[in-house]
Amino acid sequence: KNEVEQSPQNLTAQEGEFITINCSYSVGISALHWLQQHPGGGIVSLFMLSSGKKKHGRLIATINIQEKHSSLHITASHPRDSAVYICEAGTASKLTFGTGTRLQVTL
Amino acid sequence: NAGVTQTPKFQVLKTGQSMTLQCAQDMNHEYMSWYRQDPGMGLRLIHYSVGAGITDQGEVPNGYNVSRSTTEDFPLRLLSAAPSQTSVYFCASSYSAQAYNSPLHFGNGTRLTVT
Repeated sequence: KNEVEQSPQNLTAQEGEFITINCSYSVGISALHWLQQHPGGGIVSLFMLSSGKKKHGRLIATINIQEKHSSLHITASHPRDSAVYICEAGTASKLTFGTGTRLQVTL
Repeated sequence: NAGVTQTPKFQVLKTGQSMTLQCAQDMNHEYMSWYRQDPGMGLRLIHYSVGAGITDQGEVPNGYNVSRSTTEDFPLRLLSAAPSQTSVYFCASSYSAQAYNSPLHFGNGTRLTVT
């Protein structure tokens, strides 16, 4: 079993839908990061979380440390949100990445 | 600031050839790292550095060498390319030497094919 599991692996949504991507991890972490990988391949960091919730525009990230679970929500999804979203669990000794959730938002 | 600059963008090698992937950052970041990304797998750490003169192995170091002679540069050398090294490679840097503690900044990636 991978230390970081994401679900779903693939997700198709219509423009305007509310989207949730889940990340479960089995290690004790110091911080959890959400990354976005654009269709062209570039990777950018969206959020760094160690507790609670963060919001940036239409994106919301939450984490439940006790349940070892984090979610990334996208409100009012748009085709430009189409990308691969990657969960990254960080401990003092290493970073572990999920395999990503491929999101396609259609008109 | 240019951020993390990674070159080349594409490369084709024959088995047994060597090459160097270049990575430079202009953000004075302590932590620099190399990852490979393969279909169906998460990013896997090859080598990393927490400062000039300090390097260490990651999860999949075999067949690769690194050095960190300056804060800015962290080249990755493939010693004798093998088809198993066909992958997309990313360089990433972070302000904090404790990489979990600050966001990673990624280069644009290098798509390497070994025939």
